[in-house]
Amino acid sequence: TQLLEQSPQFLSIQEGENLTVYCNSSSVFSSLQWYRQEPGEGPVLLVTVVTGGEVKKLKRLTFQFGDARKDSSLHITAAQPGDTGLYLCAGVLENNDMRFGAGTRLTVKP
Amino acid sequence: NAGVMQNPRHLVRRRGQEARLRCSPMKGHSHVYWYRQLPEEGLKFMVYLQKENIIDESGMPKERFSAEFPKEGPSILRIQQVVRGDSAAYFCASSPLGQNFGNTIYFGEGSWLTVV
Repeated sequence: TQLLEQSPQFLSIQEGENLTVYCNSSSVFSSLQWYRQEPGEGPVLLVTVVTGGEVKKLKRLTFQFGDARKDSSLHITAAQPGDTGLYLCAGVLENNDMRFGAGTRLTVKP
Repeated sequence: NAGVMQNPRHLVRRRGQEARLRCSPMKGHSHVYWYRQLPEEGLKFMVYLQKENIIDESGMPKERFSAEFPKEGPSILRIQQVVRGDSAAYFCASSPLGQNFGNTIYFGEGSWLTVV
């Protein structure tokens, strides 16, 4: 079983639509990170959230860390084909150990 | 990908051979993580190491797999007697010493193992 559950597993939308993907756990994390991975490459860090309730914006991407530091969401406004990729969340436990979710595979069609 | 170097990038092995994957962390980083990714799947944790110590190997298969991070040199992930099911991308990541809160890890570009 995954420590972090990501949903949905797959998402296919049209260019210009909005979307939200979720990352949930029963564990508390000292921080949580979101990565994007393209085929044949390693994951690239998008954001790190540390404080419960924290909201961070990165252009059209909005990241939120749950108040209890157990879950997070990523909202993309007006999605573009360039947003296509595998979105991974990763939680850092108190012992500095990190665990990944299985990812949400996003396809944005032009 | 921020200086984590993995080699080889692509490796082909016949069943029964050994595969050895190397990872040089970013300068100043003494925490190394290995992950495995099967096609169309997310990253699965394998092992977390600090210099000369295995901190958590709960994701490592019990047999044929081993990892080390010596005092000098890169971290090595070794797979003995490879089978077709070992074919995957293996990612290494590193993080700075002692940074718990807001810890950021940086990934290498991966090593793709194909077992034929």
